[in-house]
Amino acid sequence: AQKVTQAQTEISVVEKEDVTLDCVYETRDTTYYLFWYKQPPSGELVFLIRRNSFDEQNEISGRYSWNFQKSTSSFNFTITASQVVDSAVYFCALSEANTGGFKTIFGAGTRLFVKA
Amino acid sequence: ETGVTQTPRHLVMGMTNKKSLKCEQHLGHNAMYWYKQSAKKPLELMFVYNFKEQTENNSVPSRFSPECPNSSHLFLHLHTLQPEDSALYLCASSQSREPYNEQFFGPGTRLTVL
Repeated sequence: AQKVTQAQTEISVVEKEDVTLDCVYETRDTTYYLFWYKQPPSGELVFLIRRNSFDEQNEISGRYSWNFQKSTSSFNFTITASQVVDSAVYFCALSEANTGGFKTIFGAGTRLFVKA
Repeated sequence: ETGVTQTPRHLVMGMTNKKSLKCEQHLGHNAMYWYKQSAKKPLELMFVYNFKEQTENNSVPSRFSPECPNSSHLFLHLHTLQPEDSALYLCASSQSREPYNEQFFGPGTRLTVL
């Protein structure tokens, strides 16, 4: 069965600190996709990144970076030099490809507070 | 308008009322979704439409009734709701109902049931 665990409920950092948001997933499928979304106070989730199960290359986009490790079933997200605008709830999600009527399962989310 | 829009943004209703939530996407997508986001619960997928056909209903009570007249519009009709149905209802769309497609979300409707 699918499962996504974001063990950190809330994280509070001071501006310019680096912060890593953890995501651990469970799946029996060999083909799957992992996502990160950001939900600012305005409400809408904003897509940040997608990774497929065959691509373990880490990715960097500006201050954001993602570390995908199949060996530990983790897809962690790091924000470097955090800013107040990074304050939001961040969701990790998993979609499987091999099951008919598949679902996208979201983790419970991690609320990030960045203080000035 | 761009992206995914939802109306109303806030709704307060009594348990005997009937109301509808509206979602519109301006992205040319073919799949649309309704999610429920409650405090202390993960995002719950309620319904999925792909090319106007309902493909998933995740054991949602019948007091929630979706409607998808075309690929751009999605409604959620509400009747005889319970206080525990109070939540943020999010609409989303994606290019199609494939696992690799990212979803684009609207700002949600904050529903309060008295």
